[in-house]
Amino acid sequence: QKEVEQNSGPLSVPEGAIASLNCTYSDRGSQSFFWYRQYSGKSPELIMSIYSNGDKEDGRFTAQLNKASQYVSLLIRDSQPSDSATYLCAVTGSSDSGYALNFGKGTSLLVTP
Amino acid sequence: ETGVTQTPRHLVMGMTNKKSLKCEQHLGHNAMYWYKQSAKKPLELMFVYSLEERVENNSVPSRFSPECPNSSHLFLHLHTLQPEDSALYLCASSQDTSTTYEQYFGPGTRLTVT
Repeated sequence: QKEVEQNSGPLSVPEGAIASLNCTYSDRGSQSFFWYRQYSGKSPELIMSIYSNGDKEDGRFTAQLNKASQYVSLLIRDSQPSDSATYLCAVTGSSDSGYALNFGKGTSLLVTP
Repeated sequence: ETGVTQTPRHLVMGMTNKKSLKCEQHLGHNAMYWYKQSAKKPLELMFVYSLEERVENNSVPSRFSPECPNSSHLFLHLHTLQPEDSALYLCASSQDTSTTYEQYFGPGTRLTVT
């Protein structure tokens, strides 16, 4: 069973702070890692992808990957109330059907003014 | 139209009805996916098509029947559903089924089975 674990939250941070979202995965051969943002009643929106160990920055978002620890995280700097949403971690597998995305249940983020 | 579109956005159907969900992608992608999102559960992959050929059927009951007539269109035919099938059904597409390609989702169809 390929599992992706996320703290369900809610994670509450004040406006302007850094929000840190974490994800662990069980399949050591996983190759690709994605973060999606999902507003209530909406579909998931891709915000970051990361494929190699280290950090990847895109605007206020930084994804961090540590394959040895099977850990991927998302940092949101200068958090805004509009960042309040559920953040989904998704991981591809290592088998022939590696394209299949395994999702975590998501972490609910609340940014308070 | 841009991105991935889905119709209808909302659907209420009885257990004896037959209905179809439609997905269209305007991204020039070659792979399309159906996912199910139920409350309190992670997104579940249902079907994967690559160049109109089904490459994954993730143990989905036969009351769900996918169809992919071309690389831009994907359908999910529904019949004799159960109340537990009520969920958000999401279509996604990617350049192809390589693990490095990102998947983009449509807005989803909120299905309620009565």
